[in-house]
Amino acid sequence: QKEVEQDPGPLSVPEGAIVSLNCTYSNSAFQYFMWYRQYSRKGPELLMYTYSSGNKEDGRFTAQVDKSSKYISLFIRDSQPSDSATYLCAMSAQRGYQKVTFGTGTKLQVIP
Amino acid sequence: GAVVSQHPSWVICKSGTSVKIECRSLDFQATTMFWYRQFPKQSLMLMATSNEGSKATYEQGVEKDKFLINHASLTLSTLTVTSAHPEDSSFYICSAYGGTGAETQYFGPGTRLLVL
Repeated sequence: QKEVEQDPGPLSVPEGAIVSLNCTYSNSAFQYFMWYRQYSRKGPELLMYTYSSGNKEDGRFTAQVDKSSKYISLFIRDSQPSDSATYLCAMSAQRGYQKVTFGTGTKLQVIP
Repeated sequence: GAVVSQHPSWVICKSGTSVKIECRSLDFQATTMFWYRQFPKQSLMLMATSNEGSKATYEQGVEKDKFLINHASLTLSTLTVTSAHPEDSSFYICSAYGGTGAETQYFGPGTRLLVL
């Protein structure tokens, strides 16, 4: 079993839709949870960073962490064609200088 | 803030040659830098972790003599792929961590390597 599981998609939605991206994990030591956006042939860009359980909102993006279920989500409201990218969840047991484990990424396409 | 650059952005080389990739933190000092490798439609795989002034720590299965990492300063780390072969063709991405107080790693734009 992989430490982090992420549905690879692809996920195709119409512009304006609410998008839900999810990851599950097995390592209960994970405490720091990140979501990255990666455009084709580019490096990952940090979108959201959360510590422990709870919700965090930033503009159209909301990250949720449920440590009891070992489940994290990223919601994108009012999705735009520019949101089309691969979204990677990532998590670590310690702060950023420690090893980060990535999901395989979900490819999202927002259709105008 | 938290900008990381990589150079070159892409490189094509002949089999048997060595290729050096630079990773720079432009607006912060990086106590730790990470090197990842990403194959098409796959996630990032950590290759090694380097701390400024000390030897890199390689992940299991990564040949340290083939992938030489140098972290000579707080803003620069280099990855040298020695005697490159076609199977080394990949997307190499570095990330940098700014030390105590920094939340997480910040990634460079990546370097695409094609070995012919």
